[in-house]
Amino acid sequence: EDQVTQSPEALRLQEGESSSLNCSYTVSGLRGLFWYRQDPGKGPEFLFTLYSAGEEKEKERLKATLTKKESFLHITAPKPEDSATYLCAVQEGGGSYIPTFGRGTSLIVHP
Amino acid sequence: EPEVTQTPSHQVTQMGQEVILRCVPISNHLYFYWYRQILGQKVEFLVSFYNNEISEKSEIFDDQFSVERPDGSNFTLKIRSTKLEDSAMYFCASDGGNTGELFFGEGSRLTVL
Repeated sequence: EDQVTQSPEALRLQEGESSSLNCSYTVSGLRGLFWYRQDPGKGPEFLFTLYSAGEEKEKERLKATLTKKESFLHITAPKPEDSATYLCAVQEGGGSYIPTFGRGTSLIVHP
Repeated sequence: EPEVTQTPSHQVTQMGQEVILRCVPISNHLYFYWYRQILGQKVEFLVSFYNNEISEKSEIFDDQFSVERPDGSNFTLKIRSTKLEDSAMYFCASDGGNTGELFFGEGSRLTVL
């Protein structure tokens, strides 16, 4: 069973059409949840770290939130340059600190 | 801005050949990782390295894989006898303080024929 499940697998939006990506996790004792952006053929680029339920982080049109079971990446008024795959990763406390990645959500924003 | 650099960007090799992928992590970082991503699949952990030794490895990281930090800057992944299923993008990453905030290189695409 995957520790990190992301949905939807793919999302197409029109420019300006806000939406949310979901990341649900099953690890116990979450140490940290991370969002990355990955452009085609490139390495993941770190965006945010969330540590505890209720926490929020923002960067330009992106806002990440965290509950006890899931995280959302909200994209407000997206632009075509926001098109990428968004990856979620979790780090479990009390044992392995290795970040485990989900399969990602592929976002395409049409002009 | 400091960055992780990887070479080569693309390597094509014959099955059974040895391959060495090289990485220069961010200079003041202490934790180093290799991940791989098979085309269309998720980013998978291979191995982590701290204080000049392997700190953790996955089931994927079997005896055909090895890592080394031969000097103060380079971090290498060696695959001794490549298989077709080793074809993937291999990412090196570094972390300043085991925070989980990984800084990735651009990747080395390995194609095994």
